[in-house]
Amino acid sequence: GQQLNQSPQSMFIQEGEDVSMNCTSSSIFNTWLWYKQDPGEGPVLLIALYKAGELTSNGRLTAQFGITRKDSFLNISASIPSDVGIYFCAGRGGSNYKLTFGKGTLLTVNP
Amino acid sequence: NAGVTQTPKFQVLKTGQSMTLQCAQDMNHNSMYWYRQDPGMGLRLIYYSASEGTTDKGEVPNGYNVSRLNKREFSLRLESAAPSQTSVYFCASSGGGADRELNYGYTFGSGTRLTVV
Repeated sequence: GQQLNQSPQSMFIQEGEDVSMNCTSSSIFNTWLWYKQDPGEGPVLLIALYKAGELTSNGRLTAQFGITRKDSFLNISASIPSDVGIYFCAGRGGSNYKLTFGKGTLLTVNP
Repeated sequence: NAGVTQTPKFQVLKTGQSMTLQCAQDMNHNSMYWYRQDPGMGLRLIYYSASEGTTDKGEVPNGYNVSRLNKREFSLRLESAAPSQTSVYFCASSGGGADRELNYGYTFGSGTRLTVV
């Protein structure tokens, strides 16, 4: 089946720093999504991308749909303590409505 | 809106006991999913239901059964719990209209934390 490689697995940063994480796949995806999971909660959708090359922002978050359709990036600017959590990428390929999830990036922000 | 509601939030079982995890969504979504989350393993799909009346196996179905009771409810059953089933279980739903995010984005419940001793 389709697999996503998400990196890094974990990050430990200082408050105010920028963060970048990415996902790559050996398969083409038609939709890329980024989720955040707060401790003790379920994942929540942050950003959805539907077109190759698309760049979308949501506050301090910016995500891009790679031009090859095999990768996506999420950047967080000026991190704050509440950015702590696990960030998941997810992709949908072809006519399959099911999502494939990456294994997540654990972000820790030191105040 | 309540979104996706999972019960119970916490459960401790003895090896060999059975239980059913309940999930209900109030967004008129067509598709529902059960995932388990283990450290370092991400989200692994157990079973899913594309629409009312259908269910299919996901990546890790062994030891589980599911029932799509109606459009709103999708339950996960452990017939004989094993310590390897200690995990956090998430239910999710998707697909409810012309909006792409509703169709393709999943809405997750807050999880059931299960410990099998």
